[in-house]
Amino acid sequence: EDQVTQSPEALRLQEGESSSLNCSYTVSGLRGLFWYRQDPGKGPEFLFTLYSAGEEKEKERLKATLTKKESFLHITAPKPEDSATYLCAVLMNSGGYQKVTFGTGTKLQVIP
Amino acid sequence: DGGITQSPKYLFRKEGQNVTLSCEQNLNHDAMYWYRQDPGQGLRLIYYSQIVNDFQKGDIAEGYSVSREKKESFPLTVTSAQKNPTAFYLCASSIQGIGGYTFGSGTRLTVV
Repeated sequence: EDQVTQSPEALRLQEGESSSLNCSYTVSGLRGLFWYRQDPGKGPEFLFTLYSAGEEKEKERLKATLTKKESFLHITAPKPEDSATYLCAVLMNSGGYQKVTFGTGTKLQVIP
Repeated sequence: DGGITQSPKYLFRKEGQNVTLSCEQNLNHDAMYWYRQDPGQGLRLIYYSQIVNDFQKGDIAEGYSVSREKKESFPLTVTSAQKNPTAFYLCASSIQGIGGYTFGSGTRLTVV
């Protein structure tokens, strides 16, 4: 069964304390992996797309990496405004069509 | 500015009523999607449409209906057959098979 698992469920960091969020997947026919940021009561905001193992993308304090089994979202020297829920999603081939499966997210809180 | 507009932001429904959630996009995207988000669960796909006048059931389509008469619009009707409709509903669009989704700001539906 195709699965996308995010860990940890919640993460509390001091401002400036770097860490990583994990997204592991067991899917066949991976077409791409996406990272989103979601603030409370709002729709997810697109951050990155990764297509192949070894690929990396960066945006400000965020860096996303991809291996054959998992992706990491590295947060360097986070600030309180980075507090949000981070979602990953996997685009895969399934039964002859493309399907997107979302993880349940990691809720990040950055304390000043 | 291009984007997706969902309305209303909050919606209250009495038991036994049908309600319709609006989703409009001006991104010229072919594909549109409806997701449901519940606490502690990943986004679950209700319906999707890859082209005008065509749509497919997602993983949790029971109790919902959609139409796609125009490329820009993909309204979702939550019918009285949906037993647990209280949730946060998200509309999204994408260029078919490429990249990530653009999400709307969501509609929070509450049954009273």
